[in-house]
Amino acid sequence: DAKTTQPPSMDCAEGRAANLPCNHSTISGNEYVYWYRQIHSQGPQYIIHGLKNNETNEMASLIITEDRKSSTLILPHATLRDTAVYYCIVSVSNDMRFGAGTRLTVKP
Amino acid sequence: GAVVSQHPSRVICKSGTSVKIECRSLDFQATTMFWYRQFPKQSLMLMATSNEGSKATYEQGVEKDKFLINHASLTLSTLTVTSAHPEDSSFYICSARGSWGRNKNEQFFGPGTRLTVL
Repeated sequence: DAKTTQPPSMDCAEGRAANLPCNHSTISGNEYVYWYRQIHSQGPQYIIHGLKNNETNEMASLIITEDRKSSTLILPHATLRDTAVYYCIVSVSNDMRFGAGTRLTVKP
Repeated sequence: GAVVSQHPSRVICKSGTSVKIECRSLDFQATTMFWYRQFPKQSLMLMATSNEGSKATYEQGVEKDKFLINHASLTLSTLTVTSAHPEDSSFYICSARGSWGRNKNEQFFGPGTRLTVL
C-alpha cells in the first residue's frame, strides 16, 4: 500500500470549513483513498473514501486531484466535536495501515 | 454503519497473567478481522490479520505465541495476551471487514480495550 503524508497538526475556527490535506504521490491505480478519524480513547471512525471522483456524504467531502497524488478532506462546518486525529490511508486490500495522521483542533 | 463491539472495554491485570479480549461484529458477518495496538500519543499499529477458520497472519515483530488470536466464527475473534507484562499495557483495537452485502469489503472498528498490566 502507498504511503501518505499529512501535516501533524492543524487548527480550525468553529463554524468554518476545515481542509485537511494528504499527499499520496505513489498511489497506484487500484488503490482507494480512505479517511478515518479517532477521537481521544475511542476506536477509529470511518469518514469517507474514494477512488478518483470527488465524494460527499453527510460528514465530509473528499476532493482527489486528477493525478490522484493528493487529496483533501473537507469538513464544511467544523464543530468542537470534530476535534480529533484524522488519518488518510490508501489501500487496495482494505487492510488499513495508519500513519501519524493530522491532529485537528477546532477552537471556539 | 455496521457495529463492532469489544469486551472488556478496560482491564487491569497482574504481571504474568493472561488476558482475553473479545471482538464481535454485531450485525454483519466478517470473514476477516484485524487487531491493532496503540501506545499513548502514537498511531495504531496493525498486529495481525485473522481469517475465520484459519491461522492468523502476524505482522513483523509481533510474537504469535504471546498474542494468541482465535477467529472461530464469522462474528467473533479473540485476542489473548499471554503472560502479560507492564510493557504490554496499551489500547487494543479490533476491526472487522464485512464479507457480503452492503458491508462487503468495508472495515469497521471496535471501541477499543485499554489493558493495564501492573
